[in-house]
Amino acid sequence: GAGVSQSPRYKVAKRGQDVALRCDPISGHVSLFWYQQALGQGPEFLTYFQNEAQLDKSGLPSDRFFAERPEGSVSTLKIQRTQQEDSAVYLCASSFRVGSSYNEQFFGPGTRLTVL
Amino acid sequence: AQSVAQPEDQVNVAEGNPLTVKCTYSVSGNPYLFWYVQYPNRGLQFLLKYITGDNLVKGSYGFEAEFNKSQTSFHLKKPSALVSDSALYFCAVRDMIGSSNTGKLIFGQGTTLQVKP
Repeated sequence: GAGVSQSPRYKVAKRGQDVALRCDPISGHVSLFWYQQALGQGPEFLTYFQNEAQLDKSGLPSDRFFAERPEGSVSTLKIQRTQQEDSAVYLCASSFRVGSSYNEQFFGPGTRLTVL
Repeated sequence: AQSVAQPEDQVNVAEGNPLTVKCTYSVSGNPYLFWYVQYPNRGLQFLLKYITGDNLVKGSYGFEAEFNKSQTSFHLKKPSALVSDSALYFCAVRDMIGSSNTGKLIFGQGTTLQVKP
C-alpha cells in the first residue's frame, strides 16, 4: 500500500522567502510527526498532531515555523522568512495511534530544503 | 532528560562477517527502543523495536538487537553482513514526559555501516 508521501522532494528558497512543505500520511493514521534532520545529524522532533489537534510543538525552533493539519489527514509545515540555518531535510512520519507505546512510526522520503 | 548515544560514526565490516552497531540509552522508566535504517535520499525505514519481553528482538532483513538493561544498551546485530546493508543506521528511544506519551522519538547521531565485498 501507499506509504507516507512528501512534496516537494527538493526546495530551494532565497533567504527571506516563505516555504510550505506538504505531508500525506498513511491513510487512517491518527498520529503525525514532523522532524528536522540537519546534515550529518539524527532527526530532531519538531511537532506532533493527533488527528487535527497539535498536541506538542515544543520542538519548533522559532515562531517562523508553523504547522497545521486542519482535517486530520494532510499536514503542512510552513516556514516564514527562511534563514540559511533552516536548510535541512524535513521528515514527516505517521503512526496508527498514540497511547499504544509500541507503534512504530513510518517515515516519508523527506523534503530537502536549501536556503540560499 | 532522555537520550541515545551511538558511539561509532562508522562501522566497517567485510561481507559475510557478523556486524554490530552500538547504541546506549538513558531514560527514566522503561525504555521503548527502535532501530531505523536510512538509505541515500530516502526516508527512515523501521527495522525493529523493543518494548517488553525477550531481550533479543528480531526484525527486518535478518537484523536483530539485544536489549541489555544493566548496560543500558540496545546493540543492532546481524550474523552475516551483505553489501546491500551499507546505509545509515539510527537508534531511537521514545520520549516519555511524566505520564504522558506523545510518541515522539529521540534519535542518536547515526552510524554509517560500510560493508565491503
